[in-house]
Amino acid sequence: TQLLEQSPQFLSIQEGENLTVYCNSSSVFSSLQWYRQEPGEGPVLLVTVVTGGEVKKLKRLTFQFGDARKDSSLHITAAQTGDTGLYLCAGMDTGRRALTFGSGTRLQVQP
Amino acid sequence: DTGVSQDPRHKITKRGQNVTFRCDPISEHNRLYWYRQTLGQGPEFLTYFQNEAQLEKSRLLSDRFSAERPKGSFSTLEIQRTEQGDSAMYLCASSEVGGNTEAFFGQGTRLTVV
Repeated sequence: TQLLEQSPQFLSIQEGENLTVYCNSSSVFSSLQWYRQEPGEGPVLLVTVVTGGEVKKLKRLTFQFGDARKDSSLHITAAQTGDTGLYLCAGMDTGRRALTFGSGTRLQVQP
Repeated sequence: DTGVSQDPRHKITKRGQNVTFRCDPISEHNRLYWYRQTLGQGPEFLTYFQNEAQLEKSRLLSDRFSAERPKGSFSTLEIQRTEQGDSAMYLCASSEVGGNTEAFFGQGTRLTVV
């Protein structure tokens, strides 16, 4: 089983601050997806990265896939209270068709 | 609404009872996945279908769990003789067939076994 480790597990910051969340594995993934989940709801897809070294931007969110396709990061600039939630990374195994999820980073943005 | 739909959203059942959940995927998606998520954890893979064929089952899926997708459209997940440890959020997702396809999730069914 390929494992994804996310860090930090919990992050509490003030509105306007920047932050970075990490997703690491010892295994190679064919693609990696980032989701945000709010309490009592299903995960909502934010982005998919496929190519090693790829960088994608979604407004104030910047996603990077590691060159070796084993790790990824999510950087949020000028966090807002609406960014509060559980951020999950999920890798698509090269030999399977199911996603493996990390345990998530719970982000709390204080006003 | 053309997203993934799950029913019911919440289910409270007594230990030992059977429960069944339904998932309606996005209409053009061939693949359908079931995941289970407990508090403070990421979703754990249970099983997935491509059309009506169940192609993979996790070791987490004990013999009390069964999933079907009889016509390659909606799917059901049944848990027999529920136990308190079955309490969790059960998530369904669907995707197209392809290399790096994106999976879209429903809102989940929250099961509480009392």
